[in-house]
Amino acid sequence: AQSVSQHNHHVILSEAASLELGCNYSYGGTVNLFWYVQYPGQHLQLLLKYFSGDPLVKGIKGFEAEFIKSKFSFNLRKPSVQWSDTAEYFCAVKGLGGYSTLTFGKGTMLLVSP
Amino acid sequence: ETGVTQSPTHLIKTRGQQVTLRCSSQSGHNTVSWYQQALGQGPQFIFQYYREEENGRGNFPPRFSGLQFPNYSSELNVNALELDDSALYLCASSLEAGGTEAFFGQGTRLTVV
Repeated sequence: AQSVSQHNHHVILSEAASLELGCNYSYGGTVNLFWYVQYPGQHLQLLLKYFSGDPLVKGIKGFEAEFIKSKFSFNLRKPSVQWSDTAEYFCAVKGLGGYSTLTFGKGTMLLVSP
Repeated sequence: ETGVTQSPTHLIKTRGQQVTLRCSSQSGHNTVSWYQQALGQGPQFIFQYYREEENGRGNFPPRFSGLQFPNYSSELNVNALELDDSALYLCASSLEAGGTEAFFGQGTRLTVV
């Protein structure tokens, strides 16, 4: 069975600080990896995804993530956060092929103070 | 907006009652998945429908059931509601059953009292 672990449940940063949210997964095969964001009162939105190729993927709003296969990790980064980045962030994994579904981590609530 | 719409947005039910939640998938998407997001948790997979048939199920009891219609819209039914069923229920649609990107609706907030 696949599982996802997010390292921090709550993170508080000041504007312009750098962000790194940890994500580790366990799965016995090839995976697709995702980061979703949920702004207050809004639906889950895809921030970025990794399918194959360059392990450093860039997403919307200046976010990026690095897939490190040997560490089963897919950490999310942003060099300088803004107040508008306040949201909940979810890492998710999906095995490849046939019936396969997203498995989410418990989420990290990011609060950015102006 | 993702093109995935859910109704109703909020619902209050009494323990023991039954509830039906609805989801209209994005145009052209034939696969719908349902997730339960309890407070402080990530979404948990309930089940998935592909071309009107259930083709995957998470660790949820049989009182959670669903349907997918020919237009690929979907329903989630929960019988004999329990207090722990209080959660945000999310619907996601994707292009194919093995499709790699899912688009989520805004969810239905169910409160069981």
